[in-house]
Amino acid sequence: NAGVTQTPKFRILKIGQSMTLQCAQDMNHNYMYWYRQDPGMGLKLIYYSVGAGITDKGEVPNGYNVSRSTTEDFPLRLELAAPSQTSVYFCASSSLGGDQPQHFGDGTRLSIL
Amino acid sequence: QKEVEQNSGPLSVPEGAIASLNCTYSDRGSQSFFWYRQYSGKSPELIMFIYSNGDKEDGRFTAQLNKASQYVSLLIRDSQPSDSATYLCAVNPGTGGSYIPTFGRGTSLIVHP
Repeated sequence: NAGVTQTPKFRILKIGQSMTLQCAQDMNHNYMYWYRQDPGMGLKLIYYSVGAGITDKGEVPNGYNVSRSTTEDFPLRLELAAPSQTSVYFCASSSLGGDQPQHFGDGTRLSIL
Repeated sequence: QKEVEQNSGPLSVPEGAIASLNCTYSDRGSQSFFWYRQYSGKSPELIMFIYSNGDKEDGRFTAQLNKASQYVSLLIRDSQPSDSATYLCAVNPGTGGSYIPTFGRGTSLIVHP
């Protein structure tokens, strides 16, 4: 049972480049989330999705875009990478219902130079 | 704005002692509460959840919830060096809203031999 799979695990980008962080879950979860975590800080919600075709902004959406064409996949797009986007990115999923915990991927460590 | 507050620590306890981690939240309608453990460089993993007032025990871990005072705590008995990690408190809103949890910034726990 793979759970939540994120790729890549590490990436170095140059300022202004674009990339997509991939996230896939095999638990048939409706809810999926993208967080960033800066050193010594908590999780900040970037975007979330409550089902295929439905996405919404979180606390820090600027500079990012998402799409949710299937239940399984929730990619995060960085269009014009900036040094402020250097962070660790976590994707998570949960089943429908407010009493359900989140399942996290292993994270993507991204550096913008 | 919904807030979840945790003392960032570090909380340092000797091996074998009881570690007590606390979390307060602002949304009085919150219904479900989660504790995640995050080792350095790793993703958060669920260790406890609680929905009702009172105590919930699972092995060496006990979660305590007091909705009237709006706090939730995690007790770790017989603390081990392997318990050294950051502990994140997450609070899910009440019914009728989107199931987007609010995370605290986490408490760093150090268990020294």
